[in-house]
Amino acid sequence: NAGVTQTPKFRILKIGQSMTLQCTQDMNHNYMYWYRQDPGMGLKLIYYSVGAGITDKGEVPNGYNVSRSTTEDFPLRLELAAPSQTSVYFCASSYDETQYFGPGTRLLVL
Amino acid sequence: GDSVTQMEGPVTLSEEAFLTINCTYTATGYPSLFWYVQYPGEGLQLLLKATKADDKGSNKGFEATYRKETTSFHLEKGSVQVSDSAVYFCALSEVSGTYKYIFGTGTRLKVLA
Repeated sequence: NAGVTQTPKFRILKIGQSMTLQCTQDMNHNYMYWYRQDPGMGLKLIYYSVGAGITDKGEVPNGYNVSRSTTEDFPLRLELAAPSQTSVYFCASSYDETQYFGPGTRLLVL
Repeated sequence: GDSVTQMEGPVTLSEEAFLTINCTYTATGYPSLFWYVQYPGEGLQLLLKATKADDKGSNKGFEATYRKETTSFHLEKGSVQVSDSAVYFCALSEVSGTYKYIFGTGTRLKVLA
C-alpha cells in the first residue's frame, strides 16, 4: 500500500513551458486535492475532485488545469509556466474528513 | 469565509520544555479540526484531530482540545524532544460535504538538545 505518490520530485521549467504533475493513490479514495505551498505560507487549494469525472476550482486555480478520468489518478497541468508558479505542490486524497498527503513536487520556474 | 489563524514562529525550545502552539478559527457551523506535522523535505502527516466540541485529540504525547466557546484548538506537549522539530499546521474541514481544508500558515518548531 503506497498511499499517495507524486512524480516528479523536482523539476525546473522555463517560462512558457508546460508540464503535468502526476498524482496517484491506491486507497480507493473518492476525494482528491491539489495544494501549493509557498514559503512561510500555509497550503492553498488549487483544484479538487469528489470522484472520477468531477472536478472543481479551489482558492487559487488560475494557470492550472486538472482531470480525473479514474479514481486513482488526478494529474495537474501547467500550460504556460510563470515564475509565480514556483512552489511546492502537494496532492492529497481522502474518503472522509482526514486527508492523506503525498511527498510533494518542488517546481522552479525560471 | 472560514479561516484559521496560528501563532507565528519560529518557536525555539530546549529539550523537555512544554510546548503550546495557538490556533483559532472562524467557521460557519462546526467543522472538524486537525493538526498536521511536516518534517523537512516531506509531505504533511496527520498528528491528531477532533470532530466536535470538547473532543480531545491526542497522539505521540501531543494533545489539543476543541473549544467551541473560544473557537480554539491549541496544540500542547508536556516535554518536547529534538525529533519534534518540524512545521505544524492547524486546519479545519469545511462543513460543505467536500472535506476541503482551510490551513493556517504553519508554525516552525525547533527543539535544541
